[in-house]
Amino acid sequence: GDSVTQMEGPVTLSEEAFLTINCTYTATGYPSLFWYVQYPGEGLQLLLKATKADDKGSNKGFEATYRKETTSFHLEKGSVQVSDSAVYFCALQSLYNQGGKLIFGQGTELSVKP
Amino acid sequence: DGGITQSPKYLFRKEGQNVTLSCEQNLNHDAMYWYRQDPGQGLRLIYYSQIVNDFQKGDIAEGYSVSREKKESFPLTVTSAQKNPTAFYLCASLTGRGTEAFFGQGTRLTVV
Repeated sequence: GDSVTQMEGPVTLSEEAFLTINCTYTATGYPSLFWYVQYPGEGLQLLLKATKADDKGSNKGFEATYRKETTSFHLEKGSVQVSDSAVYFCALQSLYNQGGKLIFGQGTELSVKP
Repeated sequence: DGGITQSPKYLFRKEGQNVTLSCEQNLNHDAMYWYRQDPGQGLRLIYYSQIVNDFQKGDIAEGYSVSREKKESFPLTVTSAQKNPTAFYLCASLTGRGTEAFFGQGTRLTVV
């Protein structure tokens, strides 16, 4: 079945460091891909998305490119801030599986130190 | 403002009790979902509904039940048959493929 694999955390970085969180997927057809962010005690918020191969999603300095050839959707940011500390989830959505449900990776906790 | 509201934020359940978690949305979304989140794990789908008066089991439906009598509402009941109910529960809604899913703030359920 469809699945998402993320790099394990926690990831600890200093402010202004470069961030990469790896995400790879297995899916039937052509899923849409997402990154969601979760702050402590809250629900998830959409960070960015890409709906077809070679699309680049971007928001708040974060970027991810839909790579069909490597089945990847890695999250990057050039210079992280303390306020970026959160848990990041990679997810895919395919209408072929359970009514378009989102399938999530296990999440990667990011901690940014001043 | 449009959004999705879960209540209560914290809920305590005694052994053998059924409890109901509320999820309401005013986004006019057709599809609604319930996910369970455990520490260090991703989100697992409990139930989903694509239209009023219809719902389907997700990956971990045992010990849970839902209803969808109104488009705006999708309550989740955690029954006594759920042996390990302590978790963070998230409700979500969306309009279709490739669109953003909106999440509620979650309900943290603890068995006491």
